Amino acid sequence: QSALTQPASVSGPPGQSITISCTGTSSDVGAYNLVSWYQQHPGKAPKLIIYEGSKRPSGVSDRFSGSKSGNMASLTISGLQAEDEADYYCCSYAGSRSFWVFGGGTKVTVL
Amino acid sequence: EVQLVESGGGSVKPGGSLRLSCAASGFTFRNAWMSWVRQAPGKGLEWVGRIKSKIDDETTDYASPVKGRFTISRDDSKNTLYLQMNSLKTEDTAVYFCATDPDSSDKYSFDDWGQGTLVTVSS
Repeated sequence: QSALTQPASVSGPPGQSITISCTGTSSDVGAYNLVSWYQQHPGKAPKLIIYEGSKRPSGVSDRFSGSKSGNMASLTISGLQAEDEADYYCCSYAGSRSFWVFGGGTKVTVL
Repeated sequence: EVQLVESGGGSVKPGGSLRLSCAASGFTFRNAWMSWVRQAPGKGLEWVGRIKSKIDDETTDYASPVKGRFTISRDDSKNTLYLQMNSLKTEDTAVYFCATDPDSSDKYSFDDWGQGTLVTVSS
């Protein structure tokens, strides 16, 4: 069982917006502004798409946005496109005992 | 361009050992803290452990499931990271990725990843 809780799947038609939640605790997501999100296509390495909760690395589409409230972080994909079909993982710093914890992943399907 | 290339994966029986390598290029490896992250088949990502740079005493930290069984080391002269896995269990079956550690990143995130190497533990 993963430390952070994500929905197993989320889907939407092209052009729609979807939001993926990532629920942690006051020891990880709620304690630090160090949530990151990763996109992983089948058989590929994860790719960083959001860091520090809401910042986008250079080269990542502005259709991806992140936010955090309390113990929950969220990733929103706007204007859903076929290439967004992938697995998405959240990650948070959890202090000097657990260090880094991940969510179980959410499979995004473009209908 | 940062490149991380893992090798050394394969099949091993429970209780056996395996050493993974990760060859790094495109950045100053000796200054970087490095992590291992694994992904069991069809499952999510799990942080395994990390090693700090030589200047930070090459201190290591491990996740609870692997502490005492896995050892991370590095050879800066070869720009290579290692993961020595002993007393392997079936639940260690996973693709193992090396990645730049968040504490080496100005984004506090796993910026760069290798393509992964599969370890299968089965009798």
